[in-house]
Amino acid sequence: GESVGLHLPTLSVQEGDNSIINCAYSNSASDYFIWYKQESGKGPQFIIDIRSNMDKRQGQRVTVLLNKTVKHLSLQIAATQPGDSAVYFCAENAGGTSYGKLTFGQGTILTVHP
Amino acid sequence: NAGVTQTPKFQVLKTGQSMTLQCAQDMNHEYMSWYRQDPGMGLRLIHYSVGAGITDQGEVPNGYNVSRSTTEDFPLRLLSAAPSQTSVYFCASSPDRVQETQYFGPGTRLLVL
Repeated sequence: GESVGLHLPTLSVQEGDNSIINCAYSNSASDYFIWYKQESGKGPQFIIDIRSNMDKRQGQRVTVLLNKTVKHLSLQIAATQPGDSAVYFCAENAGGTSYGKLTFGQGTILTVHP
Repeated sequence: NAGVTQTPKFQVLKTGQSMTLQCAQDMNHEYMSWYRQDPGMGLRLIHYSVGAGITDQGEVPNGYNVSRSTTEDFPLRLLSAAPSQTSVYFCASSPDRVQETQYFGPGTRLLVL
């Protein structure tokens, strides 16, 4: 999972497997979280979000789980495909809904092998 | 819609030079931001704007200026480039203050020698 540091965590999976990417956030006041996908040479792309009043939210092939007790966020990707290979970032909104307060994690590199 | 566009895609500067990174969006979004991304790190907010004529500092504003004279454009100015500003710069816009679902541009890769 993500943590403060210089080395990006990596996850390698086989095509068709399920992937779980973890993120530990730092601010207990954060009430909004987003997962982004960033492919090489491109800007981040929104995947899914969740508010702190929820524990789980599902999208198309993706599920985000939030555990506020231990300040942990995870992204589950079902039936992972080669096109899912990218860097995945979690971002937390540091208190309230004020714009411009998103804090990004360092990212996790996901590699999907055919 | 073209979405969020950024120019140039790549730029090399010498220390002390100035330049402006351009960002434009055609989605009529009120909220726009500039981030920098350094190797092995997530994005860090430089400056942001919640509407035309309104800007504010983010996490790492030093060495950068912004202005927002129109809804569409949000240029980022480097007054005197330093090697520490070598990075990839992303502009983003958002339609909704609460949702914060930002649309990112393709990025500008800046190298300061």
